[in-house]
Amino acid sequence: QVQLVQSGAEVKIPGASVKISCKASGYSFTTYYMHWVRQAPGQGFEWMGMVDPNTGKTNYAQKFQGRVIMTRDTSTGTVYMDLNSLTSDDTAMYYCARERGGSLNFDYWGQGTLVIVSS
Amino acid sequence: QTVVTQEPSLTVSPGGTVTLTCASSTGAVTSGYYPNWFQQKPGQAPRALIYRTNNKHSWTPARFSGSLLGGKAALILSDVQPEDEADYHCLLHYEGGWVFGTGTKLTVL
Repeated sequence: QVQLVQSGAEVKIPGASVKISCKASGYSFTTYYMHWVRQAPGQGFEWMGMVDPNTGKTNYAQKFQGRVIMTRDTSTGTVYMDLNSLTSDDTAMYYCARERGGSLNFDYWGQGTLVIVSS
Repeated sequence: QTVVTQEPSLTVSPGGTVTLTCASSTGAVTSGYYPNWFQQKPGQAPRALIYRTNNKHSWTPARFSGSLLGGKAALILSDVQPEDEADYHCLLHYEGGWVFGTGTKLTVL
């Protein structure tokens, strides 16, 4: 069965970076784009960007350009999201979610990774 | 900055029907925005319900449907069940990326 398993919770100080992983299984890894979405406490969702695991091509939301890097490792079926220059506003639950390449159809989501930024 | 607006909260009686909408600050929502809808219950990851306006996933209950109504994307819940109480989020595609709606808290009472 399809599974997206994310890495565990992180606590970071302001100015630091965080790298979250999302390990995919149960399907052809390179067939589906992987998106990253976050949800601040008590807030709605915010789309951060996506990576095409087949090519490594990325598309980032303008808000995060210059501060986020999304990568993939096809040998392990894992995608990564690296966010730097963290502030307290980055405290949120971060999710990966897959989209069949170009289908504009989001289906499976990871379980979420809580990132807390605090001094 | 594009804003996608949903009703903050709605209440429906069990067995009733309710329509949740998703409006874009850029104008009328069309199929070209490829609306997706998600359900989220407290402490859980979102669950996909609808994609590309009106297509259901294999796990989507038949009582959920998607459409376009009055220039907005819509999620219609018929014969609402107590377990449908949740937050619902829409997602629209724009040139360059995606924007989530503000979310609707649905209460079944």
